[in-house]
Amino acid sequence: ILNVEQSPQSLHVQEGDSTNFTCSFPSSNFYALHWYRWETAKSPEALFVMTLNGDEKKKGRISATLNTKEGYSYLYIKGSQPEDSATYLCARRGGSQGNLIFGKGTKLSVKP
Amino acid sequence: DGGITQSPKYLFRKEGQNVTLSCEQNLNHDAMYWYRQDPGQGLRLIYYSQIVNDFQKGDIAEGYSVSREKKESFPLTVTSAQKNPTAFYLCASSNLSGRRNTEAFFGQGTRLTVV
Repeated sequence: ILNVEQSPQSLHVQEGDSTNFTCSFPSSNFYALHWYRWETAKSPEALFVMTLNGDEKKKGRISATLNTKEGYSYLYIKGSQPEDSATYLCARRGGSQGNLIFGKGTKLSVKP
Repeated sequence: DGGITQSPKYLFRKEGQNVTLSCEQNLNHDAMYWYRQDPGQGLRLIYYSQIVNDFQKGDIAEGYSVSREKKESFPLTVTSAQKNPTAFYLCASSNLSGRRNTEAFFGQGTRLTVV
C-alpha cells in the first residue's frame, strides 16, 4: 500500500448503531497515525494520535486501534449519535520530520 | 486564545490574477502546512515549512508559492500558473520537536473560487 486508504467512503447509520471504519497505510518507516474529526463548517480536530503497535485509545464512545506491522487502524463509534455526523480523516506521519499524508476520509451520517 | 487563523473565509479571483491566502498561528509551532481539498479527494499537501525562512514543496506545489518570514505566518500565493485553483484550502501547524504523539491544528479554511 503506497497511500493512506480509508473505507468506506461514506456511511449512513441510525442513532444508536455502533459502527467502525478502516484506515490502511504503508507500514514501512511508520512514525505515527492520526485520526481527525471534521464537522461541516468547522476545522478538523484531532481525536487520537497513536504511535505504537497494538495501541488502543478511547475518548468517550469513540475508540481506535493500531496495527503498524500490517498497516491498519480501526476507528469505532459505539451507540452513534447525530452529533457524531462528520468526516473522519486518517493521516500517517512517516518519520519525526515527516509530513501528514491523509486519506480521503469516511463521511458518517447518523440519522435520529 | 491560542489557535490558527485563516483569512479570508471566501475569496473570488479573476482568471490571470494572483491571490494570497493568509495563515497565522500563535501556538509557537515550528511546522506549518498548506493543504488543498477538492470534491471526492483527500487533503493534498501543497507546501510545508518546518522552520523560518525554509519551506519544501508538497505533492501539488505547481502554481503556488509560499514564504515563511516569521514563525507565526505562512501565507500561500495562488498564482496565475495554477490551472485549476478553485478549491478549499486548509492551513495547519504542528510542533515537530518533542513528543511523538503531537497532533496538528487546523484553520477553518479558505474557499477560493475563480470567476
